[in-house]
Amino acid sequence: EAGVAQSPRYKIIEKRQSVAFWCNPISGHATLYWYQQILGQGPKLLIQFQNNGVVDDSQLPKDRFSAERLKGVDSTLKIQPAKLEDSAVYLCASSLGLGYTEAFFGQGTRLTVV
Amino acid sequence: QKEVEQDPGPLSVPEGAIVSLNCTYSNSAFQYFMWYRQYSRKGPELLMYTYSSGNKEDGRFTAQVDKSSKYISLFIRDSQPSDSATYLCAGSGGSNYKLTFGKGTLLTVNP
Repeated sequence: EAGVAQSPRYKIIEKRQSVAFWCNPISGHATLYWYQQILGQGPKLLIQFQNNGVVDDSQLPKDRFSAERLKGVDSTLKIQPAKLEDSAVYLCASSLGLGYTEAFFGQGTRLTVV
Repeated sequence: QKEVEQDPGPLSVPEGAIVSLNCTYSNSAFQYFMWYRQYSRKGPELLMYTYSSGNKEDGRFTAQVDKSSKYISLFIRDSQPSDSATYLCAGSGGSNYKLTFGKGTLLTVNP
């Protein structure tokens, strides 16, 4: 079974530029999560999708971050414009559905904003 | 107050030691409690989960949850150098089963 795929693995951009991350969850997984993990901290949920609908985006900085999962499969997370404090690892995870305890994580995209 | 509090350590132990990792939580809606392990530059992977209060054992690992005190524990017996990683506790519950993590504890097991 293929795992959660994320790309790119690394990205370096200047502040005020835009960036996009892509995630392909495990086939058949209805729930998809985007987390931000700043160095030395635990993952912080940015947005949670159930199929192509948003379940929770209460911690997503909506003035600069956006995410979509148009066909209920792949997802993209965008930052525009980026700030220095956005430097972090962006993790995508998926699970079979709401109430399924096991979330499978991708390797993450390491973003550095200079 | 953060929903899940975890001492970030770092924690360094000799090989073969018993390791105790702990978290507290504040969200009464949590029903599931998980421990994830994260190796450097990798995504977290689920080690164990527990539903409500109680103990769960899997090989050298034991997870405990005490909902009355809102306390989560992970014990590692006969620790190995390969156990060196960051351990993240997490809670889940409520209508959308949002998965909320603690800060993680960095564990080093020295040969």
